Amino acid sequence: NAGVMQNPRHLVRRRGQEARLRCSPMKGHSHVYWYRQLPEEGLKFMVYLQKENIIDESGMPKERFSAEFPKEGPSILRIQQVVRGDSAAYFCASSLQGPQGKWNGYTFGSGTRLTVV
Amino acid sequence: GQQVMQIPQYQHVQEGEDFTTYCNSSTTLSNIQWYKQRPGGHPVFLIQLVKSGEVKKQKRLTFQFGEAKKNSSLHITATQTTDVGTYFCAGYSDSGAGSYQLTFGKGTKLSVIP
Repeated sequence: NAGVMQNPRHLVRRRGQEARLRCSPMKGHSHVYWYRQLPEEGLKFMVYLQKENIIDESGMPKERFSAEFPKEGPSILRIQQVVRGDSAAYFCASSLQGPQGKWNGYTFGSGTRLTVV
Repeated sequence: GQQVMQIPQYQHVQEGEDFTTYCNSSTTLSNIQWYKQRPGGHPVFLIQLVKSGEVKKQKRLTFQFGEAKKNSSLHITATQTTDVGTYFCAGYSDSGAGSYQLTFGKGTKLSVIP
């Protein structure tokens, strides 16, 4: 299966702990996007990355949240000192070309459901 | 910033009835995409529209892009229970702040009564 792989599928963290969400893009895709979805809500853009570069992080909270997409390995979304309001589904998507190229749509992973207790 | 609004938020139809969801952007779009998310699932890409006034069909689904490239619609003919899910439009504008963002509407949740 060469789709977008996200893990873990479900993650439970206590308040104050760290959450690490992983995303391996589709084979051949070098553009990765992270979105957050609250229940009954749409998807909110968080960050757009290419290998070793953050292209647009305007949707990401300035504190506690960080993202990376290293040369080797998956993209990581890291949330430090989690709070109850961080509970949401976090989706990663990848695309063959970036937003300013010709688009064929995003391929989404199955998401990570984060619950903060 | 760019906003994409979608109506209605919920729609309940009897199986066999038609369904339409509408999408409006606060800015002119370079393209618009449609996604379907089944309950508990992830968004799945359906189609992309690029040209002003473009109409595309996929079996019982018809997608339109407005002449001004600020609105779009998805129409499903003779709904089936397999159509259940939330339909999202997502727009991209290649100018201004957030120009790398694909902005999603809040979606229309479709329920089909057998």
